[in-house]
Amino acid sequence: AQSVTQLGSHVSVSEGALVLLRCNYSSSVPPYLFWYVQYPNQGLQLLLKYTTGATLVKGINGFEAEFKKSETSFHLTKPSAHMSDAAEYFCAVSGAGRRALTFGSGTRLQVQP
Amino acid sequence: NAGVTQTPKFQVLKTGQSMTLQCAQDMNHNSMYWYRQDPGMGLRLIYYSASEGTTDKGEVPNGYNVSRLNKREFSLRLESAAPSQTSVYFCASSEAGGSSEQFFGPGTRLTVL
Repeated sequence: AQSVTQLGSHVSVSEGALVLLRCNYSSSVPPYLFWYVQYPNQGLQLLLKYTTGATLVKGINGFEAEFKKSETSFHLTKPSAHMSDAAEYFCAVSGAGRRALTFGSGTRLQVQP
Repeated sequence: NAGVTQTPKFQVLKTGQSMTLQCAQDMNHNSMYWYRQDPGMGLRLIYYSASEGTTDKGEVPNGYNVSRLNKREFSLRLESAAPSQTSVYFCASSEAGGSSEQFFGPGTRLTVL
């Protein structure tokens, strides 16, 4: 069985501040890990993913995430928040032999001017 | 390329009515998925189709049926709608499962009165 826990349903940062969105997962097989972003009234868009290899993954819009197997974590970061980053962010896990994704409950990021 | 398209965008039903949500993709993907999104619960998988001619239940299949009409199209049917099926429904597609990126449609907002 797989599961994803996102700590904090709402995160608020000031423009220019560090963004840190937390994700922990459980998986019985080596995981594939994803971060998706959802802007209001839109579908989900892939930010980045980890499959194998380098544990620090860079994505679009300046986001990156680090896979830490020992901590079963895949936290999302961005050094400097921009107003356009305000959205809902979802962490998801899959694995070899699995077809579909298991999503976390989401974190809504608010960016204050 | 239109990517993943869904119709309708909005729908209001009365309890007991039936309807079919349509989904099509033009990326020649093998796998297609139906998710529902409810506040605070992330996205939950209803059904998926690993390839044309196959369908499998996901986490929350009760009250739904699906048809993989051909490689492009994957429809979701509610035979007798219930208020608990009020949700936003997303269709997605991917080349395969596991590590493949899923591409999402814009969603259908369904209200059951």
